[in-house]
Amino acid sequence: AQSVTQLGSHVSVSEGALVLLRCNYSSSVPPYLFWYVQYPNQGLQLLLKYTSAATLVKGINGFEAEFKKSETSFHLTKPSAHMSDAAEYFCAVSERNFGNEKLTFGTGTRLTIIP
Amino acid sequence: GAGVSQSPSNKVTEKGKDVELRCDPISGHTALYWYRQSLGQGLEFLIYFQGNSAPDKSGLPSDRFSAERTGGSVSTLTIQRTQQEDSAVYLCASSKTTSGRYLTSYEQYFGPGTRLTVT
Repeated sequence: AQSVTQLGSHVSVSEGALVLLRCNYSSSVPPYLFWYVQYPNQGLQLLLKYTSAATLVKGINGFEAEFKKSETSFHLTKPSAHMSDAAEYFCAVSERNFGNEKLTFGTGTRLTIIP
Repeated sequence: GAGVSQSPSNKVTEKGKDVELRCDPISGHTALYWYRQSLGQGLEFLIYFQGNSAPDKSGLPSDRFSAERTGGSVSTLTIQRTQQEDSAVYLCASSKTTSGRYLTSYEQYFGPGTRLTVT
């Protein structure tokens, strides 16, 4: 069985400061990992994904994440926070079962940007 | 192009009534997923379709929940005899799939969800 743990249900950073959202995973097979963002009353939007190629993955809106197998982590970072980054962020791991890529999500981290 | 659409966007129903939620995936996407997002349970998988078949129904919480997909396109999630604990946002996602030696699906695109409130 796979699982994802997101440390910190709420994170606040000042505008212009570093954003760091933590995600640790557990998987019996090499994982595919994802970060999604959800703005209020909207669906999920894919920020970036790791699918066993480069361990440092760059996504949209200046976000990136690094896959560290030894630490079973896939933390999300952005060098300089912007007000528009305020949203809820979900880390997810994929089932990867012959076309069935069902996602197991973490509990989410709500990011607040302080002006 | 058009994304995944879901209808209705909001649904309020009385306990015990049946409801149908609709998902229109992106054209050409053969894989379709339903998820549920609730305060108590977070985001959880419900069911996976490949074409019109549902090889994975493991996330359906009870036999009151069912889903079908027709023409490899539109999917309907039906909840019978709704209960208050069914109140949640129901999200649909679709992805393209390629078949070679192994079936491979790609990233999932999510719809805006249907917010279900059972009173």
